[in-house]
Amino acid sequence: AQKITQTQPGMFVQEKEAVTLDCTYDTSDPSYGLFWYKQPSSGEMIFLIYQGSYDQQNATEGRYSLNFQKARKSANLVISASQLGDSAMYFCAMREGGYSGAGSYQLTFGKGTKLSVIP
Amino acid sequence: KAGVTQTPRYLIKTRGQQVTLSCSPISGHRSVSWYQQTPGQGLQFLFEYFSETQRNKGNFPGRFSGRQFSNSRSEMNVSTLELGDSALYLCASSLERGKGNYEQYFGPGTRLTVT
Repeated sequence: AQKITQTQPGMFVQEKEAVTLDCTYDTSDPSYGLFWYKQPSSGEMIFLIYQGSYDQQNATEGRYSLNFQKARKSANLVISASQLGDSAMYFCAMREGGYSGAGSYQLTFGKGTKLSVIP
Repeated sequence: KAGVTQTPRYLIKTRGQQVTLSCSPISGHRSVSWYQQTPGQGLQFLFEYFSETQRNKGNFPGRFSGRQFSNSRSEMNVSTLELGDSALYLCASSLERGKGNYEQYFGPGTRLTVT
């Protein structure tokens, strides 16, 4: 079974509108972290937002927020007020184990969602 | 603060050759991870180093190896290159800490083409 599933290969959104990118995950480890990265055509992976499995509140970073539904094992990214510069690939990723800092930093990535912002 | 740097940015090699890629993490970061990104397989974890020790390794053949130096800089080596090794190789660094975020900051990548 895939550990990270992103069911939307591509999405379109009108400039200034909000958009939700879906991510579901699968783990039996109670301690894990979920990440979202943006990858423009240049190739660099840009860190957007992080949610720990024990975090009580949904993470927010500027225009990005993470809709974390632990029971459903979903961690959707919400981008508010889309901008043309938001057009890129978006990847959801998970790190399992070692909430206290021990253990590996291995990330498992989903296949990504290509977001296109329309003027 | 300077970000993660990777050299070279682009590389063209011939099948059977070997290649070494370099990664300099963000100052103060001690963990360096390597990933391979291809259109078919997506992003796959290669290995992770922390304080010069390989902490974890992905499911790649022994032709892929790496190391980390005392200044946290890391190199990865691919020997006997195959066409399928053509990919974007991404390096990420992390600041190990206690409870809290574990952001991994990625470099711009090295795009390797094997002909």
